[in-house]
This record gives sequence, C-alpha cells and structure tokens, in this order.
Amino acid sequence: KAGVTQTPRYLIKTRGQQVTLSCSPISGHRSVSWYQQTPGQGLQFLFEYFSETQRNKGNFPGRFSGRQFSNSRSEMNVSTLELGDSALYLCASSTDSGKNIQYFGAGTRLSVL
Amino acid sequence: LAKTTQPISMDSYEGQEVNITCSHNNIATNDYITWYQQFPSQGPRFIIQGYKTKVTNEVASLFIPADRKSSTLSLPRVSLSDTAVYYCLVGDSSASKIIFGSGTRLSIRP
Repeated sequence: KAGVTQTPRYLIKTRGQQVTLSCSPISGHRSVSWYQQTPGQGLQFLFEYFSETQRNKGNFPGRFSGRQFSNSRSEMNVSTLELGDSALYLCASSTDSGKNIQYFGAGTRLSVL
Repeated sequence: LAKTTQPISMDSYEGQEVNITCSHNNIATNDYITWYQQFPSQGPRFIIQGYKTKVTNEVASLFIPADRKSSTLSLPRVSLSDTAVYYCLVGDSSASKIIFGSGTRLSIRP
C-alpha cells in the first residue's frame, strides 16, 4: 500500500507570492491533517479535513487555507507569503477509526526569500 | 487537552536499552498514548500506541502504570539508526486534539 505522498518536495518562493501544496493520503484514509514544522515552534497543527469538510483548525492566520477533494486528496494554500512561513509542511492521513494513528508524508520544504 | 512533558534530550550507546518517560498528569479517560519517531527532514513515524499496562511490537515496548499519569517508551538494543526525535502524544480519537510537544532528542553513540 502506498504511503502518504506530498508534492512538491521542495519549493522556493518570494515574499508576497502564494503557494499550493498537495497531499495524497493512504488509500482508504478519509482524514487528512496538515502541520507546519519550524525549528523555533516545532510541529504545529494547521487544520484537518474529513470528507471534504474542514473539521478542525489550529491557530494560524487566514492566509493559510486548505481543501479536500472527493478522492480524499488535499491541498493547502498559503497566500501573501512571509519570510516566517519558511518551514517543513507535513501532511498526515488516518482512518478515523477511533485510535487516530496518523501516517505522515515526507513533507514539503518551503523556503520564502 | 492533556499536556505532555518529556526530557529534552538523551544520550545512549549502541546495544543499550533506552527508556524515555513521558508525564501526562491530566490524561483523560478516553485518551490513548501514542509515540512517534522523527528523523531530520522527514515526517513523524508511528511507533506504538497504548491505553494501559504494557504494549509490545517489533520495534518497542510501551509501559503504562495503573494511574496512566506517565508512560515509558522502551527501545531494546538501540543502534545508530535510532538517533531521532521521539514524541509522546496523548489524545482521543479527534485529530484536532493531536498536539506535538517538544519531543526527546535521542542520540546514540557507537
């Protein structure tokens, strides 16, 4: 069974631009969560989608948004990029079976110049 | 939400058994205890999950006392490749309640 796939793996953008990251969950997983990881703040929860609906959201500004498609694939978008948005963005999927074990992708490394 | 406290870092040597303890004094009745491992520039990887007593898999063991206010991840006979950050998480089935702490940076020496 294929794992969680995130594309692209690396991305370089400049301030003010916007970016879209993609995540394909493990087949059969309907829950997709996004995290931001930085050296200073660690792993922070962005939001979670389940059946195309945002189920929960972390404490991030509205510039961070996401969506989920009917095949459970998910995208997250960051608009008006700031230098502080440079981070490793991780996507995780789970079966939502109750024990909530999350399976993570390798992440997208975003650098904002 | 149950907050967790782990040592910031630990050192050990190849072949030793390593035990990483996590405190979660405010754990709720429905909460599970889950451990993840993360290597640099990779996503966390699920290691083990438990609710009470002892759980063992091919990678590690998880010991949970009766009061469930702490847990200990045990890695038998570690190798250099076990050098990583280990996160202890406590939460129920809702994904929104997954909060990663600072983790424990484990360094294994030859």
